[in-house]
Amino acid sequence: GEDVEQSLFLSVREGDSSVINCTYTDSSSTYLYWYKQEPGAGLQLLTYIFSNMDMKQDQRLTVLLNKKDKHLSLRIADTQTGDSAIYFCSQETSGSRLTFGEGTQLTVNP
Amino acid sequence: SQTIHQWPATLVQPVGSPLSLECTVEGTSNPNLYWYRQAAGRGLQLLFYSVGIGQISSEVPQNLSASRPQDRQFILSSKKLLLSDSGFYLCAWKREFDNSPLHFGNGTRLTVT
Repeated sequence: GEDVEQSLFLSVREGDSSVINCTYTDSSSTYLYWYKQEPGAGLQLLTYIFSNMDMKQDQRLTVLLNKKDKHLSLRIADTQTGDSAIYFCSQETSGSRLTFGEGTQLTVNP
Repeated sequence: SQTIHQWPATLVQPVGSPLSLECTVEGTSNPNLYWYRQAAGRGLQLLFYSVGIGQISSEVPQNLSASRPQDRQFILSSKKLLLSDSGFYLCAWKREFDNSPLHFGNGTRLTVT
């Protein structure tokens, strides 16, 4: 199958770190992606990781990849209220198609 | 730089009416083009994708159709809308050959009444 699974909700306090987890099924995926969706908007590419990497850091974002367990995580350091959004994990499957998880609603409380 | 335009942003249509949503991409050639629907829940469902002019792949049987009359134009249509067609429709593009990410438009909120 080509499923991507993520938890639906995460609530954190402003200034704390957020960790959003994702599991995927297609071990042949070359890239794995994280997208952010704010209310009423399209999906914005946040970051991605190449499958031969274990970790990628981009400012406040850290992506960790465990290929053995097919587990991907997104850590947001010093989470701000502007980070409140839905975050989607995505894997590329055959035929240049991307499949998405259901999205994790991140709520940042002041 | 590449940009993607999708319109209209919102649309309210009665049941049984036709639909035409348009998407265009600028700044690239021969992109792969995609239509996704995001229903009341959050999941994204791939409806159609196209790897070239006139080439359309349908992922799910439904009341909708897609066409690609020009290299950077992708149209989502219906002859008669159903209530169940309501949702948030997203157009996206990616480069033809690379393992590259999808880039999304801002979406169209369709409400069928």
